Amino acid sequence: AQSVTQPDIHITVSEGASLELRCNYSYGATPYLFWYVQSPGQGLQLLLKYFSGDTLVQGIKGFEAEFKRSQSSFNLRKPSVHWSDAAEYFCAVGSNSGYALNFGKGTSLLVTP
Amino acid sequence: GAGVSQSPRYKVAKRGQDVALRCDPISGHVSLFWYQQALGQGPEFLTYFQNEAQLDKSGLPSDRFFAERPEGSVSTLKIQRTQQEDSAVYLCASTLRNRDGANVLTFGAGSRLTVL
Repeated sequence: AQSVTQPDIHITVSEGASLELRCNYSYGATPYLFWYVQSPGQGLQLLLKYFSGDTLVQGIKGFEAEFKRSQSSFNLRKPSVHWSDAAEYFCAVGSNSGYALNFGKGTSLLVTP
Repeated sequence: GAGVSQSPRYKVAKRGQDVALRCDPISGHVSLFWYQQALGQGPEFLTYFQNEAQLDKSGLPSDRFFAERPEGSVSTLKIQRTQQEDSAVYLCASTLRNRDGANVLTFGAGSRLTVL
């Protein structure tokens, strides 16, 4: 069965610093990979997705992620974090043998001045 | 509508009460999903509709949970005889059509259920 692991429960970064959130997945074939962000009291908003092709994908709000098959990873990055990026970030995986997404437990990002 | 709308946003129920949570998906979206998000956890799949047909209800935790989408648009998630472990945020998501695992879901803001 497919699964998603987000090793970091909480991450704190200073405003303006770079960010990398880790995501590892377990799936036999090439997965469909997603990053969603959830602000307090809000639903999940799609940041970016990877289906195929270029392994470096660009998303909204200056985020990018890189699919690394050899490491079974899909880490999210941002070169310079803004205070408004403080939120919960979820990695999710889908497969062509199903339609439901499997989500990781999330990483809570705190941005300090 | 412009987005996925869920109501109520907040619901407090006494243990044993029945609750109904409503989801209004984006107009024209064929596929509709319900997820449950416990505190500090990621969303967990509950059930899936394609139009009015409930194609998968494997994630529903017990027979106290029931979902319907009778006309293929608005969906209702009903929880009977609520228990404290039912306390969670219930998220609804929709997508234009099913593309298997490549579904790009648009989520509503969720209904936060607290069972006392």
